[in-house]
Amino acid sequence: EADIYQTPRYLVIGTGKKITLECSQTMGHDKMYWYQQDPGMELHLIHYSYGVNSTEKGDLSSESTVSRIRTEHFPLTLESARPSHTSQYLCASKGGGSPLHFGNGTRLTVT
Amino acid sequence: GESVGLHLPTLSVQEGDNSIINCAYSNSASDYFIWYKQESGKGPQFIIDIRSNMDKRQGQRVTVLLNKTVKHLSLQIAATQPGDSAVYFCAEIYYGQNFVFGPGTRLSVLP
Repeated sequence: EADIYQTPRYLVIGTGKKITLECSQTMGHDKMYWYQQDPGMELHLIHYSYGVNSTEKGDLSSESTVSRIRTEHFPLTLESARPSHTSQYLCASKGGGSPLHFGNGTRLTVT
Repeated sequence: GESVGLHLPTLSVQEGDNSIINCAYSNSASDYFIWYKQESGKGPQFIIDIRSNMDKRQGQRVTVLLNKTVKHLSLQIAATQPGDSAVYFCAEIYYGQNFVFGPGTRLSVLP
C-alpha cells in the first residue's frame, strides 16, 4: 500500500476564499502530480513536479498554483475559489520505474 | 495528439462471469501500460501493468492483453465478484514518465 496522504478529504468553502490542499508522501518519490477529476470521469493533469523547486503546469489549464519546497510535500493552492473549481483533486507520486501511486483525493465544493 | 480511450463507458456483468474491459491508445511511443481500479471515494489503485515487449500478463484473477498492431489493450477479470464493481482506467506511459489516462469504464456486478 502506497503511503500518500491528502487532507482535507472533504472541503466546502465559499466563493473568493483562499484554500490549500495538502499532499504528502513518505516514499521519497521525486515525482509528484496533481490531477483534477469529476466523479467517475477521466483524470486531467493540472500540475507536476520532478523534484524539489521544480514545478510545471499540466495539460489542463488551472488557476491553482503549487510549490515543492520539500520532497515529501506538494501542496496545491487556489487564491480565490470559484464554483467552477468544484471537483475532486487527486495527488499522486512516482519513484523510479514504479507506477503512479494515488492518494484518496480531496473533494472540493465551492458555494 | 496522444490519447487513450475506452470503448465502453459502462459494463454490467453477472456475478461469477468474466469481464472484459477494452482500451484503445494512439501513441506508438508508449512502452508501458497500466490498469487502475477506482472505487467510490478513493483514488485509483494499481491493478496490473504490462510493457510493450509483452502481449500478455496475468495476475490474480486478472489478465492484461496488449495488441500493438491495432493499439489495443484489454483487462480481463475472471469470476467477477461484487467487490470488482468500480471504475477502471487504462493509462499509457511514454518516455518513462508521461501518463495519459482514458475516460474510464464503470463496471457493475449484478447479483
